[in-house]
Amino acid sequence: QQQVKQSPQSLIVQKGGISIINCAYENTAFDYFPWYQQFPGKGPALLIAIRPDVSEKKEGRFTISFNKSAKQFSLHIMDSQPGDSATYFCAASPLSGNTPLVFGKGTRLSVIA
Amino acid sequence: DAGVTQSPTHLIKTRGQHVTLRCSPISGHKSVSWYQQVLGQGPQFIFQYYEKEERGRGNFPDRFSARQFPNYSSELNVNALLLGDSALYLCASSLTGTGGAGANVLTFGAGSRLTVL
Repeated sequence: QQQVKQSPQSLIVQKGGISIINCAYENTAFDYFPWYQQFPGKGPALLIAIRPDVSEKKEGRFTISFNKSAKQFSLHIMDSQPGDSATYFCAASPLSGNTPLVFGKGTRLSVIA
Repeated sequence: DAGVTQSPTHLIKTRGQHVTLRCSPISGHKSVSWYQQVLGQGPQFIFQYYEKEERGRGNFPDRFSARQFPNYSSELNVNALLLGDSALYLCASSLTGTGGAGANVLTFGAGSRLTVL
């Protein structure tokens, strides 16, 4: 049972464009939503995270938008660069208790010049 | 500061063999989690250990086991290897393992890539 659904599976964006990756979750107990970035041969690295008390969080060119009623959240990468080419994973978990992070299946982003 | 270190980085085993993977967490982190990442998929939770005790177990068979040592390093053991066990095994450390802001902020190692022939 997949608890976090991520789309698209792959994405090609022109340099300078906006990359958008979407995730949907089912478990209403989730209240921590991180995005991880993974380069080939490396482990996932935390990129940005949001809690549902805000609808948007921005860090540099990366923004998370969160829609609690729709149980959806998305990652926007502004002014996408070739160095952003990587696989992106959304994840979710409750912050309280001891439930582990549940990851989406990933989106392979390619930014072309 | 050293990040999460894992060894070995790559290994090849044959079906039926046993494998031990090792992980050293970030200094000061007391919780270690293990995830399996099959090619083209997201990481799947296997185990979490905190203060040497198992705090969570994912939907994996009993062939998978783990432990955490007094210095907070950890081992993942897989017995009777199957072809389907071929994957990248990721270790992640976090400050705590009992919920709260520090519990699920995971820092991953680069992983151990296991190939089962």
